Order: sequence, then C-alpha cells, then structure tokens
Amino acid sequence: DTAVSQTPKYLVTQMGNDKSIKCEQNLGHDTMYWYKQDSKKFLKIMFSYNNKELIINETVPNRFSPKSPDKAHLNLHINSLELGDSAVYFCASSRRFRDSGNTIYFGEGSWLTVV
Amino acid sequence: GENVEQHPSTLSVQEGDSAVIKCTYSDSASNYFPWYKQELGKRPQLIIDIRSNVGEKKDQRIAVTLNKTAKHFSLHITETQPEDSAVYFCAAYNFGNEKLTFGTGTRLTIIP
Repeated sequence: DTAVSQTPKYLVTQMGNDKSIKCEQNLGHDTMYWYKQDSKKFLKIMFSYNNKELIINETVPNRFSPKSPDKAHLNLHINSLELGDSAVYFCASSRRFRDSGNTIYFGEGSWLTVV
Repeated sequence: GENVEQHPSTLSVQEGDSAVIKCTYSDSASNYFPWYKQELGKRPQLIIDIRSNVGEKKDQRIAVTLNKTAKHFSLHITETQPEDSAVYFCAAYNFGNEKLTFGTGTRLTIIP
C-alpha cells in the first residue's frame, strides 16, 4: 500500500550516461514534486507539477527533464550525468496546496551515485 | 524568493530533557509552516504543522509556535526519547507561488 513509490532506490552510473527515475503515487493527489537532497542534507525543490502541468521549475540544469504522463506519475530524466548530480532524489505528492495547505508525502528516495 | 534559516544545525540533548529548534523566514506572504522528521536513510515525514492564523499547536510531546510579526517559528520536543534522534526540517509555504521552501535541517541526537 505504498503511497509514493519511486524506482530505482539505488543507482550507480558513469559520468555522461543518461538515466531515469520513475515515480508513482496512489493517493489521488493532483500535485507531484521532485526534490534533491545533497550530502549536506539540504532539501531543495526541483520541479512541481499539478495535473500534468509544470508549476515550479527551479534553477535546474536543462539536463534534468521531468515528464508527467498523467497526474499519478512524474518521472525524472537526467542527461549527461555529472559527478555533482550525486544525491538522493525524492519524489513527493500532495493535494494542491493552494486549495488547503496539505501534507507532502515523500517517496523513499532514489540514491544516485555518479562515478 | 523565500529564504528559511534554521538553527541549530546540530543539537544534542540528554534523554528526558527538552529540545528546541528555531526557524526564521523572509517572505511575509508565507502562511503555512510544516515540520518534517527524517530518520537516517528514510524519507522526510510530517510531524506537525501550523498555519499563519494560529500562534501555537501541540501534539503530545511536540509543539510548534509561530510569531508572524517576527517571522519565526519553533519546534519544541519535551521528554525526549532515543527515537526522537533524527534530522528535523522546518518549511515555509507561500500559497501565492505554491512553493514550499525547506530550512537547512537540524540533526538532533538524544543521549541515553
């Protein structure tokens, strides 16, 4: 009964490769997010989608491209991976905050290591 | 944009004592303030939240206070237990731009 699930949980890859992380939520939420947590534990928003529409796009290199085929899925594709991309990537979802300021539910995280 | 500062970055407390973590925010339009707990290797999980029309909220051993004028809010944990050891994040949400900004985290260690 996992609410927000993301795969893979661990990913080790070489510089220059392209990789994707998939995320799915079964909570019926309209809004989904990608957060990046670096080695210092800072949690930073990367993207936010509401009903498949991009509503937040922070200053993220355009090597990172989110894709939302439907409101239950938000995948993250990363091109030309760099060492600095190593981090934990958390997918999350919520009802739209504008409506009622709701809890954000996080996935378990995807540990990406670029070597 | 919003900037959320959180202090201290690390905190060690004797079991049974209280712990206080403080956050300040910069955007007066922020109006929702959740707190998340992240245990080692786990996902962040909401533990308590407060809205801008409320000054204090309590849930068993944890409480949050908000001072809108000063733009700061705090997390209070009483009668701390070893399972309280984790990283705690405050956050501030702006309904206008729909952005939730996290603080830099506090690593809380409870000493048995």
